Amino acid sequence: QKEVEQDPGPLSVPEGAIVSLNCTYSNSAFQYFMWYRQYSRKGPELLMYTYSSGNKEDGRFTAQVDKSSKYISLFIRDSQPSDSATYLCAMKAVGNYGGSQGNLIFGKGTKLSVKP
Amino acid sequence: EAQVTQNPRYLITVTGKKLTVTCSQNMNHEYMSWYRQDPGLGLRQIYYSMNVEVTDKGDVPEGYKVSRKEKRNFPLILESPSPNQTSLYFCASRKTGASTEAFFGQGTRLTVV
Repeated sequence: QKEVEQDPGPLSVPEGAIVSLNCTYSNSAFQYFMWYRQYSRKGPELLMYTYSSGNKEDGRFTAQVDKSSKYISLFIRDSQPSDSATYLCAMKAVGNYGGSQGNLIFGKGTKLSVKP
Repeated sequence: EAQVTQNPRYLITVTGKKLTVTCSQNMNHEYMSWYRQDPGLGLRQIYYSMNVEVTDKGDVPEGYKVSRKEKRNFPLILESPSPNQTSLYFCASRKTGASTEAFFGQGTRLTVV
């Protein structure tokens, strides 16, 4: 089992739709949960992060973490064509984590297309 | 402007011809890493460095070398490239500790023929 699982899509939605992107994970040591956005031909950029459980909202974006289920979500409200990108979840443990010393562990990314 | 700069952006080379992809960051970050990104496989870490002269293998280190002689630079070396190293490569840097924000370069698209 991979440490972080993410459905690669692609996911195509009409403009204005609510989008739900999800990741599951297996390592209980993960405490930081992030979402990166990657536009075509660009490097990933941090969109949001959450420490431990709970929700975090930033404009049209909401990140949720359910540690009991080892499940994280990113919701996009009123989706726009400019939201079309690949969304990667990423996770990190606190302090040293085996030999990787707190490396970011990425999901494979979900490609989202928002149609006008 | 805070940034991670990779060069070259695009490279086509032949099997066995040594090449170096440079990476430089201007944020005084301790941690730097290299990833390759392939369709269906996502981002996979090749090597990382916690600080100057400290490097370690990631998930897919075979066929690659790195060095960290200065804090700002972290070059990726392919001593004898092979076609299975054709990929999109990203360099990233961040602070150590609780930092979650990794800053990525623009990517280097490498084709080995």
